[in-house]
Amino acid sequence: GAGVSQSPRYKVAKRGQDVALRCDPISGHVSLFWYQQALGQGPEFLTYFQNEAQLDKSGLPSDRFFAERPEGSVSTLKIQRTQQEDSAVYLCASSLYGLTGATGELFFGEGSRLTVL
Amino acid sequence: GNSVTQMEGPVTLSEEAFLTINCTYTATGYPSLFWYVQYPGEGLQLLLKATKADDKGSNKGFEATYRKETTSFHLEKGSVQVSDSAVYFCALILRTGRRALTFGSGTRLQVQP
Repeated sequence: GAGVSQSPRYKVAKRGQDVALRCDPISGHVSLFWYQQALGQGPEFLTYFQNEAQLDKSGLPSDRFFAERPEGSVSTLKIQRTQQEDSAVYLCASSLYGLTGATGELFFGEGSRLTVL
Repeated sequence: GNSVTQMEGPVTLSEEAFLTINCTYTATGYPSLFWYVQYPGEGLQLLLKATKADDKGSNKGFEATYRKETTSFHLEKGSVQVSDSAVYFCALILRTGRRALTFGSGTRLQVQP
């Protein structure tokens, strides 16, 4: 597609449910990032993929959070046993370049807004 | 650690007013600096960037100069328009180590006609 696509745009989950958020990056983009954005805050880094390799997952807040990009394209962020503090907008971003060419120029999707009741 | 501090919003201006949004940073290395903008209902998009000291990034009438001595990257525009109403995020990325953007908390700009 022309841009980064995320689904679902809105998700309401009951506490304890598992959720899966999908990201379709721009075709051919090597790097893929997940960020978490709480209300009124800036995006916080969660994890980074270069192609199918997850090179940095230091931002994942707990072992309930898991991300994958098995074929180096589409990525899924999974949150198990959701808690109220997981409520946020989850942003996906992609970049044409890998680590060595990283320029900070990212293309963001519109985000998936998760509300945990 | 690395961090970005922005002035709190909202900033409310009349059309054609001068805009300044302050941004300062702390970094363990030599960062590149960015301003991203989020228009209502849209994803973040890159507005401008600067990769070394004294560089000036510019786009759509917005400018920001990389000031290493004051660790600042203030965003300016001489004459704002209603269409500039958005949330503006200052961000940095290091040249080594974690190659992910670190963002400030964002500043909402509201321009009134």
